[in-house]
Amino acid sequence: KAGVTQTPRYLIKTRGQQVTLSCSPISGHRSVSWYQQTPGQGLQFLFEYFSETQRNKGNFPGRFSGRQFSNSRSEMNVSTLELGDSALYLCASSLGGGIQNEQFFGPGTRLTVL
Amino acid sequence: AQRVTQPEKLLSVFKGAPVELKCNYSYSGSPELFWYVQYSRQRLQLLLRHISRESIKGFTADLNKGETSFHLKKPFAQEEDSAMYYCALLSGGSYIPTFGRGTSLIVHP
Repeated sequence: KAGVTQTPRYLIKTRGQQVTLSCSPISGHRSVSWYQQTPGQGLQFLFEYFSETQRNKGNFPGRFSGRQFSNSRSEMNVSTLELGDSALYLCASSLGGGIQNEQFFGPGTRLTVL
Repeated sequence: AQRVTQPEKLLSVFKGAPVELKCNYSYSGSPELFWYVQYSRQRLQLLLRHISRESIKGFTADLNKGETSFHLKKPFAQEEDSAMYYCALLSGGSYIPTFGRGTSLIVHP
């Protein structure tokens, strides 16, 4: 079974731009969660999608948004990028959703905002 | 608000020594607690969860509600245990996890 894949793996953007990250879950998994990982704040939950619906949302500004497609692939969008958005963005998929059901993580997308 | 504290950023031990990675949480209800591990150049993965009460790779963790702790322990550390360890909490009725900042464990030969 193929694992969770994320594209692109690395991205460099400038302040004010927007960016879209993609996550393909393990086949059969209907839940995709997104996390931001930074040295200062650690791992923080962004949001979770289950069957194309956002089920949970962390404490991030509205510039961070996402969606999920019928094939369970998910995209995350960040608009009006700020320097502080530089981070490793991880997605994780699971059958039932949430960390209460075992999540499988992708390799991450490293976003650098200049 | 719920919080997870891992007081040590770095823990360095020798092979064969006991290891304890500390995790303290603040939450008044009944939490679910997890330990995640990330080995070098590998993906973040679940190590264990308190409700399963199992030992994984020789690691155990007991939820102590009185001390609000969920420390991860292993009696004899191995070099392959060197990794980044994250403690995570899920509060009752919430599906939004809170993670600690992580502890880097280095096991010297």
